[in-house]
Amino acid sequence: DVKVTQSSRYLVKRTGEKVFLECVQDMDHENMFWYRQDPGLGLRLIYFSYDVKMKEKGDIPEGYSVSREKKERFSLILESASTNQTSMYLCASSPAGLEQYFGPGTRLTVT
Amino acid sequence: AQSVTQPDIHITVSEGASLELRCNYSYGATPYLFWYVQSPGQGLQLLLKYFSGDTLVQGIKGFEAEFKRSQSSFNLRKPSVHWSDAAEYFCAVGSNTGKLIFGQGTTLQVKP
Repeated sequence: DVKVTQSSRYLVKRTGEKVFLECVQDMDHENMFWYRQDPGLGLRLIYFSYDVKMKEKGDIPEGYSVSREKKERFSLILESASTNQTSMYLCASSPAGLEQYFGPGTRLTVT
Repeated sequence: AQSVTQPDIHITVSEGASLELRCNYSYGATPYLFWYVQSPGQGLQLLLKYFSGDTLVQGIKGFEAEFKRSQSSFNLRKPSVHWSDAAEYFCAVGSNTGKLIFGQGTTLQVKP
């Protein structure tokens, strides 16, 4: 079975802190994705990566950056957390062009 | 532009009743289509997928979906719903770029 893990299930941070969300997949997938999920807004793509050291902006990249130094790991970085970044963050991976497999999510609260 | 519409935000069915969740998509070429389920506080789990071939696809947990090109639809069905099926369901369309476009989701409530 494909396994996608995220470093934390719940996270509480203060405004202005730098926040790292980590995602690891164990299936040697080329593609990895970061989404945020908010009530009434569905899933919105923040960033994705086709390969190591490659990244592409999604629909809502503002306030976020990403890092992919190794194929299995894709990190989402909030450079200076703000309260409007309180959300559920979901990571996914996929073989090129096919279905995505999701991690359990990280619920981030910024106070 | 690609888009996915799930017309029903919330659906309530009785346990044992049949279920149909609607999904309409907009996509220029032959789409890749998916249904995912999300239990509260969890990530998304793939229920089934359609890439090509037989337009009726079977998935996990007794779900099936039918691709109808003429109606641009990919509706999810289950003949008899169980209380454990209560969750949020997402339809998605994919392209050869690897990105998925998700619908807004349908929340399913199951009455005893």
